[in-house]
Amino acid sequence: DAGITQSPRHKVTETGTPVTLRCHQTENHRYMYWYRQDPGHGLRLIHYSYGVKDTDKGEVSDGYSVSRSKTEDFLLTLESATSSQTSVYFCAISYTHEQYFGPGTRLTVT
Amino acid sequence: GENVEQHPSTLSVQEGDSAVIKCTYSDSASNYFPWYKQELGKGPQLIIDIRSNVGEKKDQRIAVTLNKTAKHFSLHITETQPEDSAVYFCAANNQNSGYALNFGKGTSLLVTP
Repeated sequence: DAGITQSPRHKVTETGTPVTLRCHQTENHRYMYWYRQDPGHGLRLIHYSYGVKDTDKGEVSDGYSVSRSKTEDFLLTLESATSSQTSVYFCAISYTHEQYFGPGTRLTVT
Repeated sequence: GENVEQHPSTLSVQEGDSAVIKCTYSDSASNYFPWYKQELGKGPQLIIDIRSNVGEKKDQRIAVTLNKTAKHFSLHITETQPEDSAVYFCAANNQNSGYALNFGKGTSLLVTP
């Protein structure tokens, strides 16, 4: 998975609780992305980062925030988890166009 | 924004046959078109990509063609093998979001022995 790890790999949480997912890379790539994958929707962009402290919104950013304080780490936070945020979350990295994905985090919100 | 349509959603072929998956995109500014293979429980894996200044690219048994005028691109897998069974996604770059990608909804390919 091109030097990309995600943690945790699985998480079950209750509605209304905050959740933070971590993406860590060892490739020193400038760009990092968070996608969610749902049946019938493919992968959809939540947020992306183009450098330390530089982030922007994607297609489905409502209810999510991100932070990037170091090149190697990109955090995704669900401030107050809802059942509609049950999904598989993938982090990706790129130097330019070619994106490489992590192994994913399966999040269940009950 | 960019809209990527992918067909078919499922495809079943016999081992040794060819498989073709087709995608269309809406944003004429898109200039990068990758294909990903995703096996169960894993992240998508980049298998081949094409840029808008090229009409065709081949890598062993897989090839991708691009028709910029018609805004469609296709993945061709020849001499399919059971290990080709997976979900395949096409994508097009989103010029407004760094190098972010807009994905099709995927094609589940089953290769039967």
